[in-house]
Amino acid sequence: SQQGEEDPQALSIQEGENATMNCSYKTSINNLQWYRQNSGRGLVHLILIRSNEREKHSGRLRVTLDTSKKSSSLLITASRAADTASYFCATAPSYGQNFVFGPGTRLSVLP
Amino acid sequence: GAGVSQSPRYKVTKRGQDVALRCDPISGHVSLYWYRQALGQGPEFLTYFNYEAQQDKSGLPNDRFSAERPEGSISTLTIQRTEQRDSAMYRCASREGAAAEAFFGQGTRLTVV
Repeated sequence: SQQGEEDPQALSIQEGENATMNCSYKTSINNLQWYRQNSGRGLVHLILIRSNEREKHSGRLRVTLDTSKKSSSLLITASRAADTASYFCATAPSYGQNFVFGPGTRLSVLP
Repeated sequence: GAGVSQSPRYKVTKRGQDVALRCDPISGHVSLYWYRQALGQGPEFLTYFNYEAQQDKSGLPNDRFSAERPEGSISTLTIQRTEQRDSAMYRCASREGAAAEAFFGQGTRLTVV
């Protein structure tokens, strides 16, 4: 069963614009990870945020976590055509060590 | 090796045959995970190990699927009596510990004909 659910399912923006994707989950988590996947290829780890953290940055990526709302967001600033990919959140529950993926957001960045 | 290695990269098998998929995790990584991913969907959790112990196998679809990690390093996912619905990308990941980043291999694309 899926724990996280990304929103929107698909997003299309112009190069240079910012892209925001959201992830909502149902049960308490230990941490949450964001991954990128290009055209069905490998899953690339982007950022891990722990339940006691509220925000993390990595280059043009900014991830926030609101445990009271059980949601996280991934912001990509100044998007590039190369950012075109599917983005997934994966949540690790407090009671275990497995992590469960949502269905993903398909981002298209148009040149 | 530097990353998670999976073999074979592609496997075509006839319905009813058994297949074994291999995962070689990053050296020293305690936890190893198996996922299955259908086209256009997110990865679906199958099972995971800490060292050689299988901690959770709740995601294995049925008893035709099994996994082992006998020495706490390389893992094998075995599918017996394959069916066409088993066709998917099978992905392996490893991590240093429960709260660390998980890194994925390139996957094995299984096609059952």
